[in-house]
Parts: sequence; C-alpha cells; structure tokens
Amino acid sequence: QSILTQPPSVSGAPGQRVTISCTGSSSNIGAGYNVNWYQQLPETAPKLLIYGDSSRPSGVPDRFSGSKSGTSASLAISGLQAEDEADYYCQSYDSSLSGVVFGGGTKVTVL
Amino acid sequence: QVQLQESGPGLVKPSQTLSLTCTVSHGSISSGNFYWNWIRQPAGKGLEWIGRIYTSGSTSYNPSLKSRVTVSIDTSKNQVSLKLTSVTAADTAVYYCARSSSPHREIDYWGQGTLVTVSS
Repeated sequence: QSILTQPPSVSGAPGQRVTISCTGSSSNIGAGYNVNWYQQLPETAPKLLIYGDSSRPSGVPDRFSGSKSGTSASLAISGLQAEDEADYYCQSYDSSLSGVVFGGGTKVTVL
Repeated sequence: QVQLQESGPGLVKPSQTLSLTCTVSHGSISSGNFYWNWIRQPAGKGLEWIGRIYTSGSTSYNPSLKSRVTVSIDTSKNQVSLKLTSVTAADTAVYYCARSSSPHREIDYWGQGTLVTVSS
C-alpha cells in the first residue's frame, strides 16, 4: 500500500481534460514538501513531467499542469492525445520515513 | 546531459545478495550536490524507493528495506552501487538508478533500468 494514494485508472476521449489526484498526509504533501509527477510509457523508465508542484521541465507540453492544496495534489491533462496513454506517478518526500514516497500510479487510457 | 546505466546479474538465487552498479557518464558523480537513488518496480506494479547516497557518502534507506540494503559510491569509477541481501521472489523487479539534487526535490535523471529476477 502506497503512502500517496492515486486512483488506479482514469480515461477520457481525445481532446478532453482528465485529472489525477494524489492524496497524502501531514508528513508529506501536507507538510509542504514538493509534489512531482512522472510519466511512464510502456517498457520505459519514468520521465519527469511536473516538478515543484506545478513547474514543467523544458519540452513538456503546457497541456500538462500540476497543482497542490492541503494534503493533496493533482495532475491535469488537457486536450488529451493518444500519446498521453501511459502510467502517471506522483512523488513527494515524507518526514516520518525520511525518504522519497510514490503514489501507486494511475493508468491513463485514451478512449 | 548526464546518463545513468545500471548493470549487474539478471538472475539471483533466493537467499543470496543482489548487487547492481550504476555508472554515471557525461558528468562527474562527485561534482555538484547530487543524491543518487535506487528505485525498483515489480512487473505491473508501482515504484518503490530503496535508498540514496549523497556525494559525501551519507545514506538514507527505506525503513522497510533498511536491514538488507547498502548503497555505496565510488567516485574514482563514477559509480554508485546497490547491495540487497537475503533476497526472495518478492525482490524481483526492474531496478532503476536515478539522480536528484535534494532529498526533497524531483528526480530529474533516470537510468533505463535493469530487470533482476530472483529464482532458483
């Protein structure tokens, strides 16, 4: 069971907007630690998608956006495209564990 | 840009020690204030942080694995190593080496990962 909770799956039609939630606690997200998001395409290593709650690395389309409030964070994908079909993971730091924690991952399906 | 490459045996017998090496290229492992992490992912499952080492040699481990894990650094070879003792089938996973600039920050570079299977 992951420290950060994500829905197992979300789906949407091309062009639609989908959101993925990431729920933590007072020892991680609620403590103000950054939330980062990764995209993992099949058979590949995760790729940094969002860092520092809402910043995008160079090259990441602005269709991807992140936000954080309280003990939760969200990743939004607008204008959903077929190439966005992948697994998405949230990640933060947990002061109780003194280490990195991940969400269980969310599979995005483009209908 | 920096590249990370994991290497090591793809098959380990139960109760033995899993040993992996991460070779860093296009950048010195000892320059800059970086943390070198090991993360694993069983087939079809999520990511699990194993532990990390700072360029100074200080380490931090996942409490659930701490008794079995050792992460070390060899700056002369530009390598980071992982040892996991007393392995079982539950340790079968793809193991990733990854870099971050702070314990609290994002992981910005990942290796391609290496599959380790624990089986007799």
